[in-house]
Amino acid sequence: AQTVTQSQPEMSVQEAETVTLSCTYDTSENNYYLFWYKQPPSRQMILVIRQEAYKQQNATENRFSVNFQKAAKSFSLKISDSQLGDTAMYFCAFMKRTGNQFYFGTGTSLTVIP
Amino acid sequence: EPEVTQTPSHQVTQMGQEVILRCVPISNHLYFYWYRQILGQKVEFLVSFYNNEISEKSEIFDDQFSVERPDGSNFTLKIRSTKLEDSAMYFCASSEGVRGDYEQYFGPGTRLTVT
Repeated sequence: AQTVTQSQPEMSVQEAETVTLSCTYDTSENNYYLFWYKQPPSRQMILVIRQEAYKQQNATENRFSVNFQKAAKSFSLKISDSQLGDTAMYFCAFMKRTGNQFYFGTGTSLTVIP
Repeated sequence: EPEVTQTPSHQVTQMGQEVILRCVPISNHLYFYWYRQILGQKVEFLVSFYNNEISEKSEIFDDQFSVERPDGSNFTLKIRSTKLEDSAMYFCASSEGVRGDYEQYFGPGTRLTVT
């Protein structure tokens, strides 16, 4: 079975600062995908960033980057130069290479303070 | 930009009643999904659907649940005899292709309250 753990239910960061959201997972699979999804208040979830487990290079999308540590089964999200629009619930998710269902964490509520 | 839409945004029903939750996936997408999130808990996968068939389902998706693509645009989730524990937010998603190579686009959700 796959499990995803987000140990920080809530976080806050000052505008323009950097924040890191933690995620750990457990799996016996060797090939899989990891994702961070963002859910702004009263809006749908949108994909922030995706990492393929066989790629050693950490994924980056503009101000968003990940620190993927496969041996430690850790997948943290770093948001640089935080903006007010980054205020949202952030979900870490796992998908087996051979499947198409997500296993989500419980989410981290991030508030960017002006 | 195309979006997945869901109706209604909030549905209240009595225990034992049947409900149908509706979703309109993005038009060129071929794979469709339902997830649910009980308040305060994780988002959980229910089912995936492709080519008019269920392609994968979780243990949550038992005989009280069914999915259908009744026409070229809608994708529905039917709960036959609702129970109190079915109260949750239900999210529909769609993707162009299967597996993690393709982004799943989520709808805004339907909040189902069973009384």
